[in-house]
Amino acid sequence: AQSVAQPEDQVNVAEGNPLTVKCTYSVSGNPYLFWYVQYPNRGLQFLLKYITGDNLVKGSYGFEAEFNKSQTSFHLKKPSALVSDSALYFCAVRAYSNDYKLSFGAGTTVTVRA
Amino acid sequence: GAVVSQHPSWVICKSGTSVKIECRSLDFQATTMFWYRQFPKQSLMLMATSNEGSKATYEQGVEKDKFLINHASLTLSTLTVTSAHPEDSSFYICSARVWDRGLGYGYTFGSGTRLTVV
Repeated sequence: AQSVAQPEDQVNVAEGNPLTVKCTYSVSGNPYLFWYVQYPNRGLQFLLKYITGDNLVKGSYGFEAEFNKSQTSFHLKKPSALVSDSALYFCAVRAYSNDYKLSFGAGTTVTVRA
Repeated sequence: GAVVSQHPSWVICKSGTSVKIECRSLDFQATTMFWYRQFPKQSLMLMATSNEGSKATYEQGVEKDKFLINHASLTLSTLTVTSAHPEDSSFYICSARVWDRGLGYGYTFGSGTRLTVV
């Protein structure tokens, strides 16, 4: 079984401050980890992923995430948040398997205030 | 990049009628399509996985006869909500596995369909 936990329903930050959205996972074997962002009434947009290699992954719109195997975490970060980063963020995981199914966290609503 | 076009974006239908949602892969062949349901401010719940030319695989608790999935070609997958009722009102999203030259394997998502059953 595979699962994702996003412990924070909401994250509020001021524009220009660092943004962190937390994610921990549980999976058998090596994980494939993803971050997506969703704006109201829209589908999911890909931000970044970790498959293998460097633990620090850089993605779209200035976001990055660090894979920590010992803590089974994959926190999303942005050094300086923008008001336009306000959205719903999902962490997702899949195990190396034949069905390619993703399991999503509950989502974290990020609000960046001007 | 790989794009999945999902239509309609929103639909309102009367209780008891059927609604079809289409997802088309515009510039790639989607051998596998995933269909999700999302309730307000909640996560995505996988409903079924469809593979081109074969029957869809439904997740536990999803009614096969209510949510008909067809994946007749490599560029089109459809979800038909049959005999819709107000409790079927939700946001439905499709997703396909894709290969991106720069990113390798990943997933691309449709823009979603807001279904309201009245």
